[in-house]
Amino acid sequence: AQSVAQPEDQVNVAEGNPLTVKCTYSVSGNPYLFWYVQYPNRGLQFLLKYITGDNLVKGSYGFEAEFNKSQTSFHLKKPSALVSDSALYFCAVRDMRGNTGKLIFGQGTTLQVKP
Amino acid sequence: DAMVIQNPRYQVTQFGKPVTLSCSQTLNHNVMYWYQQKSSQAPKLLFHYYDKDFNNEADTPDNFQSRRPNTSFCFLDIRSPGLGDAAMYLCATSRDRPDTQYFGPGTRLTVL
Repeated sequence: AQSVAQPEDQVNVAEGNPLTVKCTYSVSGNPYLFWYVQYPNRGLQFLLKYITGDNLVKGSYGFEAEFNKSQTSFHLKKPSALVSDSALYFCAVRDMRGNTGKLIFGQGTTLQVKP
Repeated sequence: DAMVIQNPRYQVTQFGKPVTLSCSQTLNHNVMYWYQQKSSQAPKLLFHYYDKDFNNEADTPDNFQSRRPNTSFCFLDIRSPGLGDAAMYLCATSRDRPDTQYFGPGTRLTVL
């Protein structure tokens, strides 16, 4: 079965410290992986994606993610967290069954950055 | 700026009273998706259009319908809303099915 897991419901970091939001996946074949961020009462904003190529993907707002095939992980990282990064983060993988383009989302991780 | 627009942002309806949510896009994308998201849970795909081709998810209730009269617009119709249909409804578009999906701001539906 294809799935995405975000093992942490919440991550707390101090402003200026590095942050990591974890994501692991299970798919058949090569994965298409995405990170989205959602602020309260807003839609999802695309941060970055991995399709192929370099394992380190750089995205919006200083975020990056590292694809690790052997560990089936795609963790989101940022070297220095900002209070404004506080939001709900979703990892997603494209469902490769059929041709729907459907995204399978993890349950989300709330990032809390404290001043 | 090219974008995905959803109207209204907040919608209140009564139990059993039909409601229509609207999505429009200026991206000229081929694919439009409707997701339901409850209480900060993961978004759940209801259905999508590839051009005029409608694709329903197997577990989407019959109470939910959709229309796409042209490339730019897509509507979500809830025929008889129940209390359990209160949620955030998200519209997304992509140029083609394998491509990145871009989301609108969402419509928060309240059912009284």
